[in-house]
Amino acid sequence: NAGVTQTPKFRVLKTGQSMTLLCAQDMNHEYMYWYRQDPGMGLRLIHYSVGEGTTAKGEVPDGYNVSRLKKQNFLLGLESAAPSQTSVYFCASSYSNGAYEQYFGPGTRLTVT
Amino acid sequence: EDKVVQSPLSLVVHEGDTVTLNCSYEVTNFRSLLWYKQEKKAPTFLFMLTSSGIEKKSGRLSSILDKKELSSILNITATQTGDSAIYLCAVVPPGGATNKLIFGTGTLLAVQP
Repeated sequence: NAGVTQTPKFRVLKTGQSMTLLCAQDMNHEYMYWYRQDPGMGLRLIHYSVGEGTTAKGEVPDGYNVSRLKKQNFLLGLESAAPSQTSVYFCASSYSNGAYEQYFGPGTRLTVT
Repeated sequence: EDKVVQSPLSLVVHEGDTVTLNCSYEVTNFRSLLWYKQEKKAPTFLFMLTSSGIEKKSGRLSSILDKKELSSILNITATQTGDSAIYLCAVVPPGGATNKLIFGTGTLLAVQP
């Protein structure tokens, strides 16, 4: 049981480049989330999904898009990276309504130069 | 705006000391409060608190919720170097079937030998 996995672990982008971060979970969780973590800011929710084919905006969605084509995968896309998107990105998943514990992936450290 | 505040932001203790970490929230009618430990990578779940005054305990760690004071504390007794981590507090806001969490900025604990 791998839990929640994220690829890649590290990435360096130039301003204006695009990339996709992949999150996969093997726990059959309904809900999935993307967060970013910056020093002094805690974890902030970017987008989330409550089921296959559904997505919704979180606290800081600008500059990001997401897709959930399969229940086990949640993709986070940056269409035109900016230095302000330099951060550590965490994916998480949970069971459905009422099971609040979220299980986190190991994170992706992204640097935009 | 819903807000979760943790204090102190950081602290340094010696092995064997007892520490108390604080979490206060400005979230009306929240559902539950969760504590996570974040070492080098993914946050890992410690406790979930829903009822006021009932202590949750796991080994040397314990936590309690005070809904009247809108706060929670996390106690660690006989600290060890392995307790060094960021401790995150998160609150489940009311409404919606999404299990979204609002995180505090975290407390960085360093335990020196």
